[in-house]
Amino acid sequence: KAGVTQTPRYLIKTRGQQVTLSCSPISGHRSVSWYQQTPGQGLQFLFEYFSETQRNKGNFPGRFSGRQFSNSRSEMNVSTLELGDSALYLCASSLGGSVYEQYFGPGTRLTVT
Amino acid sequence: AQSVTQLDSQVPVFEEAPVELRCNYSSSVSVYLFWYVQYPNQGLQLLLKYLSGSTLVKGINGFEAEFNKSQTSFHLRKPSVHISDTAEYFCAVSDRIQGAQKLVFGQGTRLTINP
Repeated sequence: KAGVTQTPRYLIKTRGQQVTLSCSPISGHRSVSWYQQTPGQGLQFLFEYFSETQRNKGNFPGRFSGRQFSNSRSEMNVSTLELGDSALYLCASSLGGSVYEQYFGPGTRLTVT
Repeated sequence: AQSVTQLDSQVPVFEEAPVELRCNYSSSVSVYLFWYVQYPNQGLQLLLKYLSGSTLVKGINGFEAEFNKSQTSFHLRKPSVHISDTAEYFCAVSDRIQGAQKLVFGQGTRLTINP
């Protein structure tokens, strides 16, 4: 069974631009969560989607948004990029949202210059 | 609000020595606790979890952890480490098992194994 895939793996953007990251969950998984990992702030929860609905949201500005499609694939979008948005963005999928069943992808490394 | 404190940012040990990675949490409700491992350039892998029942939890790769409610701790241990255990380890807490929930992570402990 294929694991969680994230594309692209690496991305370089300029301040002010916007970016879209993609996450394909394990087949059959309906929940996708997104996390931001930085050296200073560590791992922080962004949001969780289940059956195309945002079910939980972390403390991030409105520039961070996401969505989930009917096939459970998820995208997150960051508009008006800032230098501080440079991070590893991880997504995790699970069957029905159970925390202990979360499987993480390899992440997308975003660098903002 | 829940929080997790990993008391050591870095832990160097010699190969085949025992290791303990410390984790303390704060929560006003029932907690569910997890340890994840992150190898270089990879995502997170679940090592073990405590949901209920026995306070001693065994996980993959020979790791185990003990839930101590009175000390609000969930320390990770391994009796004999290998070079391949070199990685970053994260303790996390969640207030739900199912439904809307999120993981709150500690800052991580970098485990370095010296030959």
